Amino acid sequence: EPEVTQTPSHQVTQMGQEVILRCVPISNHLYFYWYRQILGQKVEFLVSFYNNEISEKSEIFDDQFSVERPDGSNFTLKIRSTKLEDSAMYFCASRDLQETQYFGPGTRLLVL
Amino acid sequence: AQSVTQPDIHITVSEGASLELRCNYSYGATPYLFWYVQSPGQGLQLLLKYFSGDTLVQGIKGFEAEFKRSQSSFNLRKPSVHWSDAAEYFCAVGGIFGNEKLTFGTGTRLTIIP
Repeated sequence: EPEVTQTPSHQVTQMGQEVILRCVPISNHLYFYWYRQILGQKVEFLVSFYNNEISEKSEIFDDQFSVERPDGSNFTLKIRSTKLEDSAMYFCASRDLQETQYFGPGTRLLVL
Repeated sequence: AQSVTQPDIHITVSEGASLELRCNYSYGATPYLFWYVQSPGQGLQLLLKYFSGDTLVQGIKGFEAEFKRSQSSFNLRKPSVHWSDAAEYFCAVGGIFGNEKLTFGTGTRLTIIP
C-alpha cells in the first residue's frame, strides 16, 4: 500500500542553523501539507501546497519557513534559522481525490 | 473558525470492555470528519472518516463512529478493546473545498488495563 515517507526520522540541530525536512508524498496525490506537533500538544497545521504554490498557511508559518517541491517526488520544509521553540514533530501529509489526508511517520526535530 | 474539542484527556478501560471517545466540532458548513490514531513514537494513521451519507461509519481495527449533526459530535466507539488499542486518538475536522487544512483536537490518550 502506498505511503508517505519522511526523512530524517530524527534531527538535532543548533539554534540558528538551517534545517530541511524531506517528504515523499503518495505518487498520485496533488495536495501536500506540513503539520507540527509540539511535545504534549495537538497537531497544528503549518502550510498547504498545490500546483507548485502555497495555497494556505498558518500564522506559525512565518518568513523563517519555506516549502518546495524540487522535483516530481519530493516535498520539503525548510526552516532558515531554527529557534528553540521549533522543536517538535513535523508531519507531512498528502491528500487523495477523496479528500483524505495521509500522514507520514514524522521527523522529530530537536533544536539545542 | 473551525475547532474540535475532545473533552477526555485520558481514558482507561479494561481489555475487552467497550470504548467511546468523544469529539465535538465547530464548523460553519458541512464538515469532513476524521479520526486518527497515533501509537507512541509513530505517525498518524487514519481510522475512519465521514463525508456524507450514512451517519454511522466503519473504520479499521473494528472502530466505528457516529456523526450527529444536532449535537455537532463525531464519537468514536469500539465494542471490545484490545491491548494493542492503547494509543492517542485524534479527532479532526476539515473543509469541503479541496485543500483546506485539518484542525485537530487535543487528543485522548487511551490506556488499556488487563
